[in-house]
Amino acid sequence: NAGVMQNPRHLVRRRGQEARLRCSPMKGHSHVYWYRQLPEEGLKFMVYLQKENIIDESGMPKERFSAEFPKEGPSILRIQQVVRGDSAAYFCASSPGTGDETQYFGPGTRLLVL
Amino acid sequence: LAKTTQPISMDSYEGQEVNITCSHNNIATNDYITWYQQFPSQGPRFIIQGYKTKVTNEVASLFIPADRKSSTLSLPRVSLSDTAVYYCLVGDGTGGYNKLIFGAGTRLAVHP
Repeated sequence: NAGVMQNPRHLVRRRGQEARLRCSPMKGHSHVYWYRQLPEEGLKFMVYLQKENIIDESGMPKERFSAEFPKEGPSILRIQQVVRGDSAAYFCASSPGTGDETQYFGPGTRLLVL
Repeated sequence: LAKTTQPISMDSYEGQEVNITCSHNNIATNDYITWYQQFPSQGPRFIIQGYKTKVTNEVASLFIPADRKSSTLSLPRVSLSDTAVYYCLVGDGTGGYNKLIFGAGTRLAVHP
């Protein structure tokens, strides 16, 4: 059973460009979470999604950031007009959504904004 | 979610038992205690979860006293590959999901 997949693993963007981060949850998991981690810090919750629904986006910046989890395909975290402060590791986690809410994390995408 | 407090760093040697204690004085009745391990440049990995008393799996043991205001992660006979950051989290999954709040974690360094 493959784990949570994230791609790309590394992404370099120039200021003002768009970054698209993809997350494929574990097979059978219907809940997806996105977290951001700055160097030497713990992970910070961004958003929680179920298929086609955003349930909790309380950790998402109000502007430039959006997330989706379509009926088919991976979850996408989109950052528009990136700035240097967006440089971080972005982790996706999934859980079964069947009462067991243990989260399993992907390897992360490291975004570097030049 | 309850705030947790754990040591910033710990050092150990190969073959020793390591105990990392986490304080969560404001833990709620429905909260579970979960520990994750994170290696550099990797995502956190679930280690163990418990509610009270003792839980043991193939990787670690988790000891939780009766008042549940603290918990201790026990790693038996550590090896160099156990060098990582260990996070203690509490939450109850209210609403059918669990918005994990990570602290700075405990950086464990295992020496030869």
